[in-house]
Amino acid sequence: SAVISQKPSRDICQRGTSLTIQCQVDSQVTMMFWYRQQPGQSLTLIATANQGSEATYESGFVIDKFPISRPNLTFSTLTVSNMSPEDSSIYLCSVEEPRNTEAFFGQGTRLTVV
Amino acid sequence: KQEVTQIPAALSVPEGENLVLNCSFTDSAIYNLQWFRQDPGKGLTSLLLIQSSQREQTSGRLNASLDKSSGRSTLYIAASQPGDSATYLCAVASNSGYALNFGKGTSLLVTP
Repeated sequence: SAVISQKPSRDICQRGTSLTIQCQVDSQVTMMFWYRQQPGQSLTLIATANQGSEATYESGFVIDKFPISRPNLTFSTLTVSNMSPEDSSIYLCSVEEPRNTEAFFGQGTRLTVV
Repeated sequence: KQEVTQIPAALSVPEGENLVLNCSFTDSAIYNLQWFRQDPGKGLTSLLLIQSSQREQTSGRLNASLDKSSGRSTLYIAASQPGDSATYLCAVASNSGYALNFGKGTSLLVTP
């Protein structure tokens, strides 16, 4: 199993600003995943982050809006840039190690943009 | 694209009842299916993982079944308790892509 610490747990931000969410895993993992859960919707994958390479973004998500860092095998950050109220969501990081086994999630970051 | 549907969207039952949550998916080419529990402010907790070659998994009062050919899974909760109140999410790992494909969840309320 993996224990994931995600912070902040919640934040209220002004539109036009940026927020960086951090995710720390208690073991080394190859891939980390970032999801978004909009109000009343299912979780949607934003991007997959590999250490030492650029993140791979899903359709509808772009690096300029959601830059991701993966400096080592236990840590990743997701930045939500130039925020608007439509970015108000829960953002979650996740790991599966090895891939296609049980997935573990951080506690999520509840973002409200005003 | 894999579509995952969960029925019902919400459910309220008195304590002690047995209940069934349903999950359906459109593409049977899957690696596995997972059931999660989501509590407010606490992220997702993995409940059961069923590999594509398996038919069911059990953990305590929970039993999950998988019928890959028909694209269906059920989560059975026996003798429900107020502490079971949460949102239950079904997620499918497909053979294509990295994403877990999630349903919208079933919001369960167990009343004392």
